[in-house]
Amino acid sequence: DIQMTQSPSTLSASVGDRVTITCRASQSISSWLAWYQQKPGKAPDLLIYKASTLESGVPSRFSGSGSGTEFTLTISSLQPDDFATYYCQQYNSYSTFGQGTKVEIK
Amino acid sequence: QVHLVQSGAEVRKPGASVKVSCKASGYTFTNYAMNWVRQAPGQGLEWMGWINAGNGNTKYSQKFQGRVTITRDTSASTAYMELNSLSSEDTAVYFCARGIWSAPHRDYYFDNWGQGTLVTVSS
Repeated sequence: DIQMTQSPSTLSASVGDRVTITCRASQSISSWLAWYQQKPGKAPDLLIYKASTLESGVPSRFSGSGSGTEFTLTISSLQPDDFATYYCQQYNSYSTFGQGTKVEIK
Repeated sequence: QVHLVQSGAEVRKPGASVKVSCKASGYTFTNYAMNWVRQAPGQGLEWMGWINAGNGNTKYSQKFQGRVTITRDTSASTAYMELNSLSSEDTAVYFCARGIWSAPHRDYYFDNWGQGTLVTVSS
């Protein structure tokens, strides 16, 4: 099984900050990685797929990069609506999620 | 507009089974896969399996193999997830999610999700 490890688990930041979340795969997954945002009591929302392709309707302050085993999600300027939990998902072989990164208000 | 509407909350005793439905609208049901993902209270997301709504092929997480069955009714544009031999560790919100095919021999990412169904397992 491919394991996905996100870091950090929790991130405290302020509005306007640049935020970076890392996701590492236990083996190469090429670019078969997606990122999701989840708010309490809601289903996740797709942000990025194929490591760096922005889903339609997602603000351009979100970006993704990486390939192989190391990936990042960057929020260029954190907005009040961005305080949430973020998950990476590999879909190279079966499907596995990272454990999540909670972005909270500093 | 894509909509995935799931059935309501369920309470089961340990050892029982539960079947959750997910009714799709706004797209051609048979052109996509439907995945099931669960989330235990305060925990992360866990993929369970998918069904190709067109040909009925399924693929399950090894963790749930033998205990989960995903089916579909194309006439009703509805997918189902049945989980057997429930224990308290199966208490979770269960989501259906439309799968977007990426490439041959790869799995899916998920562009639309149902609202979630809380399944509580308690004696």
